[in-house]
Amino acid sequence: ETGVTQSPTHLIKTRGQQVTLRCSSQSGHNTVSWYQQALGQGPQFIFQYYREEENGRGNFPPRFSGLQFPNYSSELNVNALELDDSALYLCASSSGVGAQYFGPGTRLLVL
Amino acid sequence: GENVEQHPSTLSVQEGDSAVIKCTYSDSASNYFPWYKQELGKGPQLIIDIRSNVGEKKDQRIAVTLNKTAKHFSLHITETQPEDSAVYFCAASKIASGAGSYQLTFGKGTKLSVIP
Repeated sequence: ETGVTQSPTHLIKTRGQQVTLRCSSQSGHNTVSWYQQALGQGPQFIFQYYREEENGRGNFPPRFSGLQFPNYSSELNVNALELDDSALYLCASSSGVGAQYFGPGTRLLVL
Repeated sequence: GENVEQHPSTLSVQEGDSAVIKCTYSDSASNYFPWYKQELGKGPQLIIDIRSNVGEKKDQRIAVTLNKTAKHFSLHITETQPEDSAVYFCAASKIASGAGSYQLTFGKGTKLSVIP
């Protein structure tokens, strides 16, 4: 059974650019949740995808968007990058009301 | 929305001693409380979770207790080892309306150092 994987591991962008982060869910899981973790802080919920539809959103602006594919993998897109978007982006997969299992994250640096 | 407070922010213990981390939550509707361990450069790893219909849960050296009335829950690690050194996060959630999964609200973390 493979765990949650994320790509890329690291990314450097400049302010105003757009970025796409990818997540492959654990086998058998149909829900993907995305979190942003600033340095020294706990993860903060961005949004969740269940069966290819957004199923809840945290306090993040519309320039944060996502997709879930039929194989339950997911993408997080961020437009018009700002310096404060620099963070570790984590995805977690789960099945129903089961526990969430996190991937290793993508470290994004915005210059 | 939910708010989770976690204490202490740092904790140093001698190897073999116990460590206790405490969290409080604000939303009485929250019914799921996981604990994660995060090592440097890695994603959070689930170590134990508890649902609101249970007051205590134990897994080897790790235990979690939940007091719904007081809205607080705690992580207890016994016989600590150097490999327990990491940042620990508590989280709380109620089940999302409709389908899907929990939408976790995390505490700010506790950096645990186990001194050999």
